[in-house]
Amino acid sequence: DTAVSQTPKYLVTQMGNDKSIKCEQNLGHDTMYWYKQDSKKFLKIMFSYNNKELIINETVPNRFSPKSPDKAHLNLHINSLELGDSAVYFCASSLRDRSNNEQFFGPGTRLTVL
Amino acid sequence: AQSVTQLGSHVSVSEGALVLLRCNYSSSVPPYLFWYVQYPNQGLQLLLKYTSAATLVKGINGFEAEFKKSETSFHLTKPSAHMSDAAEYFCAVRGTDSWGKLQFGAGTQVVVTP
Repeated sequence: DTAVSQTPKYLVTQMGNDKSIKCEQNLGHDTMYWYKQDSKKFLKIMFSYNNKELIINETVPNRFSPKSPDKAHLNLHINSLELGDSAVYFCASSLRDRSNNEQFFGPGTRLTVL
Repeated sequence: AQSVTQLGSHVSVSEGALVLLRCNYSSSVPPYLFWYVQYPNQGLQLLLKYTSAATLVKGINGFEAEFKKSETSFHLTKPSAHMSDAAEYFCAVRGTDSWGKLQFGAGTQVVVTP
């Protein structure tokens, strides 16, 4: 069984379009994250939700809007796509506490904006 | 704020040779430290994590890392490289006061030559 899944795996779209990426985890975790990996492989956190509540919101354009309908899902909607949004987006999940619980990552969604 | 620095964006090793990947962190208190591996076109997989229970941490696939507070380092090693070790390796830090927020290093690409 896939622990953290993302759809779609590849997304090619034109500038100005709106698109969504979906993430689901079946690990029973209460916290989910979105990371962006740029062309130089640099990873940066974008958002985090705990029990459907936003707990981390980094400096991300407001064209990006995460939505968490329940603990097992965290979707990312992007409005008015720009060339610079091209990247690989990773979803992750973990249990939230002050220990060193690891984050489990999905396979990634490669977004290409033309 | 915590951060990590990975020395060397690209490492080439011969099959059977020692793999050494360097990671230094900056934090006012010992943080939680992780090493992740990313195989081509895949998500991130945890190799090992520092729990503060032991300074020498053993992970999967024969990797281990040693936490050295005096050097603020958490270098990753493997005694004998295998062709399947070719991948991107990321060191990450999570502060004890930040709820799950991982700060990643820039990554080190490992190439294994026959």
